[in-house]
Amino acid sequence: DAMVIQNPRYQVTQFGKPVTLSCSQTLNHNVMYWYQQKSSQAPKLLFHYYDKDFNNEADTPDNFQSRRPNTSFCFLDIRSPGLGDAAMYLCATSPRAGGVYEQYFGPGTRLTVT
Amino acid sequence: AQSVTQLGSHVSVSEGALVLLRCNYSSSVPPYLFWYVQYPNQGLQLLLKYTSAATLVKGINGFEAEFKKSETSFHLTKPSAHMSDAAEYFCASEGNQGGKLIFGQGTELSVKP
Repeated sequence: DAMVIQNPRYQVTQFGKPVTLSCSQTLNHNVMYWYQQKSSQAPKLLFHYYDKDFNNEADTPDNFQSRRPNTSFCFLDIRSPGLGDAAMYLCATSPRAGGVYEQYFGPGTRLTVT
Repeated sequence: AQSVTQLGSHVSVSEGALVLLRCNYSSSVPPYLFWYVQYPNQGLQLLLKYTSAATLVKGINGFEAEFKKSETSFHLTKPSAHMSDAAEYFCASEGNQGGKLIFGQGTELSVKP
């Protein structure tokens, strides 16, 4: 089945130690999104790619970076994780940006910072 | 600014009872509207979406929602709750945001036996 895959599902990192989360998709969608979701809150968009075009949200901290080396893969790099970065990180894809096109979400990676 | 409001952060119903989750949007143009469900430690799954083709939208798992422009609402209903419906539900809109979804705060649905 076509899907969005996130690895790992659970990630533990130390305060200040760089960490990378990965997302892959077999849907061949043009758009990929990264969200941060804290407990009992709605997902918060960090950035998205339309093809190779990177779009950063204005309030996304510089500590968060992203790479999309090809259509199928997208990475979220947290350069120096703080305790406040502990959250669920969701990757989503969409055929095109906006309009009638819904987003397809992966299962998420839960990040713990010790 | 565009916004989505979900009334009630927590709703509890008995198994077999009607489920009603409320969502209101604010937009100068009728947006595209979505309902997503999230089970614990999972991603979001699309339940249904409004795309202006029909005001009553049927989705998966027996859910449906009705778009009411006059009330700027898109409430989610299910005639008979099942234990497996217990989850977090998010209403979202997309209206000229270039793909950015505006989420409501979420409603946690509990189903009592």
